[in-house]
Amino acid sequence: NAGVMQNPRHLVRRRGQEARLRCSPMKGHSHVYWYRQLPEEGLKFMVYLQKENIIDESGMPKERFSAEFPKEGPSILRIQQVVRGDSAAYFCASSAGVAEYNEQFFGPGTRLTVL
Amino acid sequence: GQQLNQSPQSMFIQEGEDVSMNCTSSSIFNTWLWYKQDPGEGPVLLIALYKAGELTSNGRLTAQFGITRKDSFLNISASIPSDVGIYFCAGPRSGGSNYKLTFGKGTLLTVNP
Repeated sequence: NAGVMQNPRHLVRRRGQEARLRCSPMKGHSHVYWYRQLPEEGLKFMVYLQKENIIDESGMPKERFSAEFPKEGPSILRIQQVVRGDSAAYFCASSAGVAEYNEQFFGPGTRLTVL
Repeated sequence: GQQLNQSPQSMFIQEGEDVSMNCTSSSIFNTWLWYKQDPGEGPVLLIALYKAGELTSNGRLTAQFGITRKDSFLNISASIPSDVGIYFCAGPRSGGSNYKLTFGKGTLLTVNP
C-alpha cells in the first residue's frame, strides 16, 4: 500500500538551523502539495509543485522557505534559519491531476519542533 | 478570503450516540470535503460532495452539501471508540486555484466507551 510517505516523522531543530522535510507522493501521482498545521488549527496551503516546477507558492513565506520536486527523488520542503514560530506539523499531499477536483491524499506529516 | 467555520469545536459523547457537526462559510464552495485526522497522522478523506443538495453516505457517516453552497453537515450514527479524532471540513478555493484546499479548524470528537 504505497501511500504518501513523509520523513522524518519528527524533527527537532535549534533556532538558526536548517530543516529539510521529504515527501514521496503516491505511485503515479505527479502533483504535490505542502500544507502547514499549527496547534489547534486547520491545515493551511503553502505550495503546489509538479515535477521540476513550482506552480503556486503563494502560501509559503517569502523568506527562509523553499520547496522543490526534482525529476528524480522526493519533494523537499526546506526551512532555513528556523525560528520558534516554525514549529508545526507539515503535511504533504499528492494527486493524480487537478482537472475538476482530484482527491488529495495526505501523508502522515512531519512534526517540527524548534527549540 | 474564504474561511470555513466549524461547530462545535469539541464534543464528548457516549459510545452508541449519534453525532452531528457542521461547517459554514460566507463564500460559496463548489465542493465540500470531510476529513478525519487521527492523533499523529495526516487527514484522511471520508466523504466528498460535489453538488448542491447532495446527500452522501459512507457506512455510518452521512454528509450533505447545503443548497446555498455555503454550508455542509456531517453525521455519525452509532458512534464507536475508534471514531475519536478531529473532523475537518475543507473545500477547494475558487477562481482557478481549485488545488488549494481551505480547511476549517476542526471538531474534536471524544467517545466514551
